[in-house]
Amino acid sequence: ETGVTQSPTHLIKTRGQQVTLRCSSQSGHNTVSWYQQALGQGPQFIFQYYREEENGRGNFPPRFSGLQFPNYSSELNVNALELDDSALYLCASSQQAGTGNTIYFGEGSWLTVV
Amino acid sequence: AQKVTQAQTEISVVEKEDVTLDCVYETRDTTYYLFWYKQPPSGELVFLIRRNSFDEQNEISGRYSWNFQKSTSSFNFTITASQVVDSAVYFCALSEFGAGTASKLTFGTGTRLQVTL
Repeated sequence: ETGVTQSPTHLIKTRGQQVTLRCSSQSGHNTVSWYQQALGQGPQFIFQYYREEENGRGNFPPRFSGLQFPNYSSELNVNALELDDSALYLCASSQQAGTGNTIYFGEGSWLTVV
Repeated sequence: AQKVTQAQTEISVVEKEDVTLDCVYETRDTTYYLFWYKQPPSGELVFLIRRNSFDEQNEISGRYSWNFQKSTSSFNFTITASQVVDSAVYFCALSEFGAGTASKLTFGTGTRLQVTL
């Protein structure tokens, strides 16, 4: 167990809807990252939060947004869902962004957009 | 830009065989970190190893071993005496290093390992 927990584990949404995914980071970790993993692909970096601020973003449109809370838990919000947003969304936590510390992943949230 | 290539899409072996998973990376950074993760069907990425760019010593952990060669930009992973429980998708990943940078991992496309009896 990594201590990184995500919810919900599975969900189905309709195209055009909005979704919020949640993540609790491992105790003592102040950095949370989100990744999208399409079927048969490697995870792709969406963005990272460090001490409640976004400090890095991958090649994802603005309808992907996030938050980090004072307890370092995080949310990923996706607006105007598209069919291609169907994927496994992985949350990862680590200590102190940019130091090469080990990054631990949760079990992910499987999102299906129909 | 950083890039990780795992040329082997799928490997099938019989239990007790040794198997090597290849990983080749590209980066302009002089300091970086390399990782291997295991992903069982449940989806969770299980951390296996982290290696920094200054440490080229090979590492062994039980049946697992890693060969890091900076000269060829490779970080290969060998499982000795494979077991059915080793069946999973294995990802190699590369991260930047530097205060203030995001701990962004760049993943390869993964190698699916199937170990049969």
